[in-house]
Amino acid sequence: EAGVTQFPSHSVIEKGQTVTLRCDPISGHDNLYWYRRVMGKEIKFLLHFVKESKQDESGMPNNRFLAERTGGTYSTLKVQPAELEDSGVYFCASSQDPGGDFTYEQYFGPGTRLTVT
Amino acid sequence: LAKTTQPISMDSYEGQEVNITCSHNNIATNDYITWYQQFPSQGPRFIIQGYKTKVTNEVASLFIPADRKSSTLSLPRVSLSDTAVYYCLVNPPYNFNKFYFGSGTKLNVKP
Repeated sequence: EAGVTQFPSHSVIEKGQTVTLRCDPISGHDNLYWYRRVMGKEIKFLLHFVKESKQDESGMPNNRFLAERTGGTYSTLKVQPAELEDSGVYFCASSQDPGGDFTYEQYFGPGTRLTVT
Repeated sequence: LAKTTQPISMDSYEGQEVNITCSHNNIATNDYITWYQQFPSQGPRFIIQGYKTKVTNEVASLFIPADRKSSTLSLPRVSLSDTAVYYCLVNPPYNFNKFYFGSGTKLNVKP
């Protein structure tokens, strides 16, 4: 079974440019999440999709970030315009809905390293 | 937000049992305790999850005392490939913005 994949693995852009990150979750996983770790800080939650709907986007830092999941499959995270403080690693994760015996497991992708210069 | 406290780093040798303890004094009644492992240039990987007492799977055991204010991840007979950062998370079900990864514990397994 293929895991969560993210593209690109590394992106270097200049301040003010636009970057779009892509995440392909594990097939059949309705839940998709974005996280990021910036400047050596802790990994922090950005948002959560259930299928194509945004369930929780309370972690999105500002309106320069736009996440979409059209059709409930892959997701994109666009940063426009990028700022220096956006540099970091952006992780995507996916999960199934847990069954009656609650086990909450998220499968993470390898991350996209974003460098804004 | 239930924050966690873990040792910054630990050293061990191959074949030893490693116990990593995490403090979570303000854990809420409906919070679960989850441990993740992360290798360099990879995303975190789920290891084990529990609510109380003891949970065991094929890779680790999780010990949770009655007051649930701490938990201990036990890795039996570690190998060099277990060198990684281990994160303890405390979270209510379905509330991901309350995930607190913290700094984690850097486990260094020596030959």
